[in-house]
Amino acid sequence: DGGITQSPKYLFRKEGQNVTLSCEQNLNHDAMYWYRQDPGQGLRLIYYSQIVNDFQKGDIAEGYSVSREKKESFPLTVTSAQKNPTAFYLCASSMEGYNEQFFGPGTRLTVL
Amino acid sequence: KQEVTQIPAALSVPEGENLVLNCSFTDSAIYNLQWFRQDPGKGLTSLLLIQSSQREQTSGRLNASLDKSSGRSTLYIAASQPGDSATYLCAVGAYNNNDMRFGAGTRLTVKP
Repeated sequence: DGGITQSPKYLFRKEGQNVTLSCEQNLNHDAMYWYRQDPGQGLRLIYYSQIVNDFQKGDIAEGYSVSREKKESFPLTVTSAQKNPTAFYLCASSMEGYNEQFFGPGTRLTVL
Repeated sequence: KQEVTQIPAALSVPEGENLVLNCSFTDSAIYNLQWFRQDPGKGLTSLLLIQSSQREQTSGRLNASLDKSSGRSTLYIAASQPGDSATYLCAVGAYNNNDMRFGAGTRLTVKP
């Protein structure tokens, strides 16, 4: 089955820790995205990547980092510099930058 | 900067009713508009994608319309069912970048 997978489903972080969220897709999509969703708000773009080894900051990139070493994978690291990381994180992909986006099931990150 | 608004934030209707969800955006220079469904704690499921040159799209009991000049889109759900209960989000895509701007969503409850 083609699709986007995210792991883990739930993640708990202690203060000062870096954590990495996984996103994998087998749709052969070029572009991948990371969004953050907070209660009562729309999704906000953290980072996006149109091709391997290239990525761009979104609106709220501070405290986050990404890599795109393979077309299928776009991991997101939430660093200790992100002061309010508790949120629902969604990964998406699309055939090219402007086409229909498809989403993974999300990772809920909670800071203890 | 594009702003996307969805009103109402929540809607409750009896089963069988036809209903309309609204999405408005401030910049009419859009590339496309996408409607999504989100169940609690889950990722987003794409419902309909309307390109800027189109006026509407239909899928089963769903019909989405787009009026760029007035900055509005509507999602029409016919003969609503309890299984339609979810949060519905609209997102607007721009020409010049990969950024999609999301509304905060309308939480729909269909009562049996």
